[in-house]
Amino acid sequence: QQQVKQSPQSLIVQKGGISIINCAYENTAFDYFPWYQQFPGKGPALLIAIRPDVSEKKEGRFTISFNKSAKQFSLHIMDSQPGDSATYFCAASPQFQGAQKLVFGQGTRLTINP
Amino acid sequence: DTGVSQNPRHKITKRGQNVTFRCDPISEHNRLYWYRQTLGQGPEFLTYFQNEAQLEKSRLLSDRFSAERPKGSFSTLEIQRTEQGDSAMYLCASSSRINEKLFFGSGTQLSVL
Repeated sequence: QQQVKQSPQSLIVQKGGISIINCAYENTAFDYFPWYQQFPGKGPALLIAIRPDVSEKKEGRFTISFNKSAKQFSLHIMDSQPGDSATYFCAASPQFQGAQKLVFGQGTRLTINP
Repeated sequence: DTGVSQNPRHKITKRGQNVTFRCDPISEHNRLYWYRQTLGQGPEFLTYFQNEAQLEKSRLLSDRFSAERPKGSFSTLEIQRTEQGDSAMYLCASSSRINEKLFFGSGTQLSVL
């Protein structure tokens, strides 16, 4: 019940295209859903996050779509650039006294071809 | 640099040895977390501090692992009698009471031979 399942494992997109990564969760206690970007040799960096009271959140080229009834959420990267090539992780957390015990997906290795 | 700082960046040790990692969180962040990440996987939660109090430990944290955060500032993670299965990236993260965003350090890569 703690799992977050992420797909695809790897994704190749042409420059300027849309990259889409999907995640599904089981635990209905999760109420915070961030996406992290990780470059080799670095720690994950927060990209964008959403709570279940909204169905979509957009920040620049990054959009999260959230479907509470299906327990699914996705990351869309518009106008994908070679600099976006990295591993992306979705995560989920039950909020308890502000703590973030994030449960991460397995990651998607995104490659943007120039 | 005002980000989360972790030392050392890399540690190679022989099986059975003890190792200790250090994490310096962002100034005034009262929450500090340790996560572990193995190759090709997402990070897994290990433990969490609010100020100097260790409030939660994952079942992944065996008796060989101990974490401290004296005076609510930096934290150390010690692994005793290391095993090859302990080889992983150990990530530290911190957050403030007000801002829920979790900031990760670059991690300590542990290799147990």
